[in-house]
Amino acid sequence: DAGITQSPRHKVTETGTPVTLRCHQTENHRYMYWYRQDPGHGLRLIHYSYGVKDTDKGEVSDGYSVSRSKTEDFLLTLESATSSQTSVYFCATWDSYNSPLHFGNGTRLTVT
Amino acid sequence: SQQGEEDPQALSIQEGENATMNCSYKTSINNLQWYRQNSGRGLVHLILIRSNEREKHSGRLRVTLDTSKKSSSLLITASRAADTASYFCAPSQVHQGGSEKLVFGKGTKLTVNP
Repeated sequence: DAGITQSPRHKVTETGTPVTLRCHQTENHRYMYWYRQDPGHGLRLIHYSYGVKDTDKGEVSDGYSVSRSKTEDFLLTLESATSSQTSVYFCATWDSYNSPLHFGNGTRLTVT
Repeated sequence: SQQGEEDPQALSIQEGENATMNCSYKTSINNLQWYRQNSGRGLVHLILIRSNEREKHSGRLRVTLDTSKKSSSLLITASRAADTASYFCAPSQVHQGGSEKLVFGKGTKLTVNP
């Protein structure tokens, strides 16, 4: 989606290091989400935000934190990366509940 | 949280055949959305059906919703090799305080053989 940019697109990092993934939107959508996708698990919700400084946990939030200091940016931080956090991470934005989610192209993270 | 569960997990058909995928959910919804994901890419929105609608069409796609059974189906008619992808449903339910989260299931992996 042209309105959502995830960075970096690929990252390799070592166990124990902190990692921050960024999601930037130009859609001015209220809601933003971080999902991870692993084989056999589909998409799992990590954290989401329903406004600036308003965030909540999803299904698999342990080991992750988020921040949203302005509407357009939603940051996902792995405080101390582990191999189990190797995954593809997707950001999504949402305007309101009767509109579709818009997804970014994903960040492939490998923790060695 | 509200999660859709897709069935079957995998489906393999020949080009030109129809493909039907089902989604079940547990509680009342505002709407239900279907998405497609091509390998390695982000999900792409296909159709949104509101809780007061029973059927919706978009090109070769037909979605039905039965709120009494808490289920939805996605029909792709005259399938093409390019329809090969994973398909996900996402029931939408507004929570107290206005927060809203969409939780996805594991999806149906559709393979259309030429």
